[in-house]
Amino acid sequence: DARVTQTPRHKVTEMGQEVTMRCQPILGHNTVFWYRQTMMQGLELLAYFRNRAPLDDSGMPKDRFSAEMPDATLATLKIQPSEPRDSAVYFCASGLAQGQGPPGELFFGEGSRLTVL
Amino acid sequence: DAKTTQPPSMDCAEGRAANLPCNHSTISGNEYVYWYRQIHSQGPQYIIHGLKNNETNEMASLIITEDRKSSTLILPHATLRDTAVYYCIVRRNSGTYKYIFGTGTRLKVLA
Repeated sequence: DARVTQTPRHKVTEMGQEVTMRCQPILGHNTVFWYRQTMMQGLELLAYFRNRAPLDDSGMPKDRFSAEMPDATLATLKIQPSEPRDSAVYFCASGLAQGQGPPGELFFGEGSRLTVL
Repeated sequence: DAKTTQPPSMDCAEGRAANLPCNHSTISGNEYVYWYRQIHSQGPQYIIHGLKNNETNEMASLIITEDRKSSTLILPHATLRDTAVYYCIVRRNSGTYKYIFGTGTRLKVLA
């Protein structure tokens, strides 16, 4: 059963520490999305990739957040330095964009719950 | 991508049909309507999508008005497990493939 895998599932860290979240998209998918969810803001799109190239990261605080896809099987979201306001659930999703027809559904991971003290 | 408007919350009795409306009055010809739901703290889950015609799958039915300015997601026999936040999203079939989630409708199925 193909699924998007995210690690870690839970992370508690102290302000100022570096945090790296990882995502393994579904094999064969060519788009990867990073979302952040909080009670106040809902689901916010942080960044997304197509064929490993970043298409849009305008939703990310540039000074502290970075997103990369070192290869087709791994996407990373890094926060350095972390702050208490970064506490949220971070979701990764992958999908298949074919260029025509329906855009394709997204498959979400279980999320990484980050708490910054 | 067109903006969508959904009621913030709805209740539905267990076993009855849940009809969730979505307004997308600025939708353009190449934009599809997608529905997702998010149960508690899980990741959102795809339900159904459509362009012009009504669609049905094992989870739900999607009714799109003739002018495509609104749609309704129908859960024919709601169960307690259908309690979730339901998101209506409009996306085009080309371009940036951006997926923007709004605030959705919080559906509560009552026993």
